[in-house]
Amino acid sequence: DTGVSQNPRHKITKRGQNVTFRCDPISEHNRLYWYRQTLGQGPEFLTYFQNEAQLEKSRLLSDRFSAERPKGSFSTLEIQRTEQGDSAMYLCASSFPTGATNEKLFFGSGTQLSVL
Amino acid sequence: GENVEQHPSTLSVQEGDSAVIKCTYSDSASNYFPWYKQELGKGPQLIIDIRSNVGEKKDQRIAVTLNKTAKHFSLHITETQPEDSAVYFCAASEVTGGGNKLTFGTGTQLKVEL
Repeated sequence: DTGVSQNPRHKITKRGQNVTFRCDPISEHNRLYWYRQTLGQGPEFLTYFQNEAQLEKSRLLSDRFSAERPKGSFSTLEIQRTEQGDSAMYLCASSFPTGATNEKLFFGSGTQLSVL
Repeated sequence: GENVEQHPSTLSVQEGDSAVIKCTYSDSASNYFPWYKQELGKGPQLIIDIRSNVGEKKDQRIAVTLNKTAKHFSLHITETQPEDSAVYFCAASEVTGGGNKLTFGTGTQLKVEL
């Protein structure tokens, strides 16, 4: 068990460019979550998948954001036409629920995005 | 939706002393309350969690208490050590089998001084 892996660790881009981040969850975890964290704040929920199905999206996820999990394993988060307000840490978490009320989220180290 | 408030924002203690961080939540349907530790440049690490059917849980030097009536919960760290220095986040969610969408507090920067 190598934990949740995110790549790249850091991304610097110019405003208007597209960026894509990747998340590899803990093996056999069927749920995968994306969160965003800005400086001095706690993480905020963006979206989550159960296997390959995207089940919920936050209002924070504008139409410039798209997430996929094509084979129910790794996931990608793409931001199109980046804006300076997109600068944040993008965190991925995975889980394997063992009951209706038992689900623990394990986070990766995140991708730090800076939009210039 | 859920709103979680966390206090204090910064906390400085002497090594060996205890540290207490408090959180309140707004949604009475929330039934899961984890605590995460985040070190610089790393993602949040789950250190302890409690469900609403339990009032207290302890794991070595760390304990969490929950008061459902008052809608608040607290993290207690005893015999603090320098390696406890980090940002701690509380969170709350309603877990019913349909996803665990955590709402986080704004964090507490804990500094343990020698």
